[in-house]
Amino acid sequence: DAGVIQSPRHEVTEMGQEVTLRCKPISGHDYLFWYRQTMMRGLELLIYFNNNVPIDDSGMPEDRFSAKMPNASFSTLKIQPSEPRDSAVYFCASSSDRGYQPQHFGDGTRLSIL
Amino acid sequence: AQKITQTQPGMFVQEKEAVTLDCTYDTSDPSYGLFWYKQPSSGEMIFLIYQGSYDQQNATEGRYSLNFQKARKSANLVISASQLGDSAMYFCAISGNTPLVFGKGTRLSVIA
Repeated sequence: DAGVIQSPRHEVTEMGQEVTLRCKPISGHDYLFWYRQTMMRGLELLIYFNNNVPIDDSGMPEDRFSAKMPNASFSTLKIQPSEPRDSAVYFCASSSDRGYQPQHFGDGTRLSIL
Repeated sequence: AQKITQTQPGMFVQEKEAVTLDCTYDTSDPSYGLFWYKQPSSGEMIFLIYQGSYDQQNATEGRYSLNFQKARKSANLVISASQLGDSAMYFCAISGNTPLVFGKGTRLSVIA
């Protein structure tokens, strides 16, 4: 079975540009999570969806961040405009349950904002 | 709110030896799950093992076992017969009424 697929794997862009990260969850998983990982703050949950509906976006750092899930097989995380402090690894994960089944992670997108 | 504490920033273990990675947690949820993930230097997050708060027996998955002590609120990961490929960051995480909350991680280095 295919795992969670994220694209791109690496993104380098200049400050002020729009960045779009993409995620395809595992088929049949009802929950999708977006995380950010930095050395300073560790792994932080940004937002999660259940059946394509955003449930909790309290972890989204600023209005510059937005996430959508137009269908069960695709989600995006956008940053507009991007800033150097947004540089991090962004993970997407999916699960069949909010908390009692393991989350399966994609390989992550390493984002560098110059 | 849920919280995970991993007090060992880094650990060393000799190849073929067993090692215990510590994890303590705090939660007010009556039911919760505890997870361990491995993150090698290549960066991916790999699920290792899960323990439910009402599970009577400690979870085991191959060389991994979870030493769950509910009264002490601890969920330590035991890796038996360490291999060089076990060198990685290891994260403990808890879930309940909210999704996963991760600890800061422990970096394990296996020495030949």
